[in-house]
Amino acid sequence: DTEVTQTPKHLVMGMTNKKSLKCEQHMGHRAMYWYKQKAKKPPELMFVYSYEKLSINESVPSRFSPECPNSSLLNLHLHALQPEDSALYLCASSSLTVEAQYFGPGTRLLVL
Amino acid sequence: GIQVEQSPPDLILQEGANSTLRCNFSDSVNNLQWFHQNPWGQLINLFYIPSGTKQNGRLSATTVATERYSLLYISSSQTTDSGVYFCAVVTGNTPLVFGKGTRLSVIA
Repeated sequence: DTEVTQTPKHLVMGMTNKKSLKCEQHMGHRAMYWYKQKAKKPPELMFVYSYEKLSINESVPSRFSPECPNSSLLNLHLHALQPEDSALYLCASSSLTVEAQYFGPGTRLLVL
Repeated sequence: GIQVEQSPPDLILQEGANSTLRCNFSDSVNNLQWFHQNPWGQLINLFYIPSGTKQNGRLSATTVATERYSLLYISSSQTTDSGVYFCAVVTGNTPLVFGKGTRLSVIA
């Protein structure tokens, strides 16, 4: 099973809301990732978790807060977002950080 | 950091035609992947190919690591092949770096 699942598929939130994006994989992978993708651009890395520890934070604003509760789950907590944060948020996983990454279907986020 | 350049940026094909997409990278790599992003945004893993040649149906890929390029071949294209094709690489401890993609439109 090479599936990564993400919920919700779509999310509309106001600038004062708090919401969370969820990602799950059952491939036994030990590396998980969050990416942000704006229209007509490639995905941009936000965070990397390796063995459930945050290993890379690509200078992401603190209004995005990642969490890895266990080896299968990855959350992205959102608070006080700005309209420019509207984008497709993609989760991925891999067995190790140099191995092939598998992506979930993404969450389309609109911040009003 | 490593530079990843893809060409062409845009490509329009008649259904049934063949095409070659190119990815050049500026440093040695541990990992190279080709992805297809469909119109709904799903990134589909096509190939994990840091070196050598692989084939999967109408698609094949070749990476010549010593010359720092990879090619993706699409034969007998279909309208469902439309979308954006990304090349992405890992070098050392650097996370996956994406090229800007090739936007493919296959018309019936």
